Amino acid sequence: SQTIHQWPATLVQPVGSPLSLECTVEGTSNPNLYWYRQAAGRGLQLLFYSVGIGQISSEVPQNLSASRPQDRQFILSSKKLLLSDSGFYLCAWGGVSAGTSGYYEQYFGPGTRLTVT
Amino acid sequence: KQEVTQIPAALSVPEGENLVLNCSFTDSAIYNLQWFRQDPGKGLTSLLLIQSSQREQTSGRLNASLDKSSGRSTLYIAASQPGDSATYLCAVFPGGGADGLTFGKGTHLIIQP
Repeated sequence: SQTIHQWPATLVQPVGSPLSLECTVEGTSNPNLYWYRQAAGRGLQLLFYSVGIGQISSEVPQNLSASRPQDRQFILSSKKLLLSDSGFYLCAWGGVSAGTSGYYEQYFGPGTRLTVT
Repeated sequence: KQEVTQIPAALSVPEGENLVLNCSFTDSAIYNLQWFRQDPGKGLTSLLLIQSSQREQTSGRLNASLDKSSGRSTLYIAASQPGDSATYLCAVFPGGGADGLTFGKGTHLIIQP
């Protein structure tokens, strides 16, 4: 079966510090990978998606970046955090999972709670 | 640009009631629609997935319907229990290979024992 891991689970960082969040997927090959953010009072927003190694598409302008150095690894980074970067970051993989009806679906990780102080 | 709206934003009902949560979307060109559950501080758990060609899906006490032409979906929860308390999110997927989901802001549900 497929599993998705995120770490760290929680993070408190000062303004201006760098950021690196990691997401890994097990049990599937060549998944589509996604980063979403859930900010206080707002809905979940797509930040980045990737269809393969080194292929990243950005949905919104921001001071965040994403990289996919390996097939099942997705990293979210920032060189200098802003207060507005606080939120709950969710990684997801998309594909057709064994055991479902055979349709494309997205599956979410446990998330990382980021507080920028 | 796709927009997803969920009504009501919050709902508090006594245990045992049957509930209907509503979701509407502005662009009917969707590949599928998913309903998720989110517990406080946790990730998302997929509840039901409805393909654009389908009208409804059922899982246990949950039933989701989709009317793509009118841009609406409902999640029906039968015989609600305190363990159903959570935020319920509706999301649409446009297809096209790698696009992400567009989410509503959710319905915060409290089931009183």
